[in-house]
Amino acid sequence: GAVVSQHPSRVICKSGTSVKIECRSLDFQATTMFWYRQFPKQSLMLMATSNEGSKATYEQGVEKDKFLINHASLTLSTLTVTSAHPEDSSFYICSAAGGSNSPLHFGNGTRLTVT
Amino acid sequence: AQSVAQPEDQVNVAEGNPLTVKCTYSVSGNPYLFWYVQYPNRGLQFLLKYITGDNLVKGSYGFEAEFNKSQTSFHLKKPSALVSDSALYFCAVRESNYQLIWGAGTKLIIKP
Repeated sequence: GAVVSQHPSRVICKSGTSVKIECRSLDFQATTMFWYRQFPKQSLMLMATSNEGSKATYEQGVEKDKFLINHASLTLSTLTVTSAHPEDSSFYICSAAGGSNSPLHFGNGTRLTVT
Repeated sequence: AQSVAQPEDQVNVAEGNPLTVKCTYSVSGNPYLFWYVQYPNRGLQFLLKYITGDNLVKGSYGFEAEFNKSQTSFHLKKPSALVSDSALYFCAVRESNYQLIWGAGTKLIIKP
């Protein structure tokens, strides 16, 4: 079945540095990918919609200059957390759809800890 | 606006007993409904979906869900719970651009 690979699964970084998270669709082309953030014991919060070849669409309240999204190909989207701060520590999840009426497939998530 | 409600934060079930995780929705038009499961520190896994057709949908790991249009519900069920079913379950409804509107999640605890 369709698989979405997300890397890294865990990352610890120092405050002020940048972290890049990759999301790859392994056996299907995804023109649209989604990035979510999940706080402990809470539901997913959609951060942005990543469209191949165009700018991402950010949800209200999400800083586009802080959370840089690049969707350079039909199988890869990246999320870069720039100048990370401890409050950026969270669980980030990407997802992609293989086509109309197909369920979204999710990466395994990235646990980001900013010290 | 479309919305999804999971009225229970947590559901406790004894192993071997049937389980139900509730979900109600509010949509304009025909709903595309989904259930996903999340294990600790993991991404989400697709369980099942309702697009059209039979109201009883069967999915992965022995789960099923019943679409009830009159009650605007899409409850997740399993006849006999396993300890390994303990996880966080999310109900969602899809908008036209693939975006999902998520319920708050229900923590399912299966006790041996």
